[in-house]
Amino acid sequence: QVQLQESGPGLVKPSQTLSLTCTVSGGSISRGGYYWGWIRQHPGETLEWIGYIYYSGSTYYSPSLKSRLTISLVMSENHFSLKLTSVTAADTAIYYCTRAFLYGGNYYFDLWGQGTLVTVSS
Amino acid sequence: VLTQSPATLSLSPGERATLSCRASQNVNSLLGWYQQKRGRAPRLLIYDASKRATGIPARFSGSGSGTDFTLTISSLEPEDFAVYYCQQGAAFGGGTKVEI
Repeated sequence: QVQLQESGPGLVKPSQTLSLTCTVSGGSISRGGYYWGWIRQHPGETLEWIGYIYYSGSTYYSPSLKSRLTISLVMSENHFSLKLTSVTAADTAIYYCTRAFLYGGNYYFDLWGQGTLVTVSS
Repeated sequence: VLTQSPATLSLSPGERATLSCRASQNVNSLLGWYQQKRGRAPRLLIYDASKRATGIPARFSGSGSGTDFTLTISSLEPEDFAVYYCQQGAAFGGGTKVEI
């Protein structure tokens, strides 16, 4: 079955760029019908949608993060990535990579990675 | 904005759990429910307000439309004690913790 796995540094310094990769196994990200993206969760808090990308390359970003955010696909390696620039302590969170499908006008996140904790600290 | 209530629900195995999610505007049936166990990623339970996702047991059911939605667990199993979130678009509710 399709599985997602996040990878990347667990510690990032303030003002630097947070970079994460999500490797997809058991299925191809070039298959249409799914949106590949990221959700984060600050410690003890609810979930915050970050953004996603369709296999065509179309991207959809959270307005609050849009100016700092890039999500991209690497079809040849069957993975997608997140880059968040100019990070602060407020970006400390568990980052989940996700797969979403569209049904009736709403997106639903049916597949999740295990999550990776990213701490922003000097 | 999605508002979930109660924040915490204290129940025993075998009891019925009723969780509420209220949307600030009409979202028709466009609502999902997720379960998150401690230290784990969330799992999709319900989509389109009432449709169970693949592999979800029948004791989980969703209902509602417009602004008021309910997730019901008909008889709590030990593994059901977790935090539950509703979701519409990019927004998630604050969560309801179901505890023993």
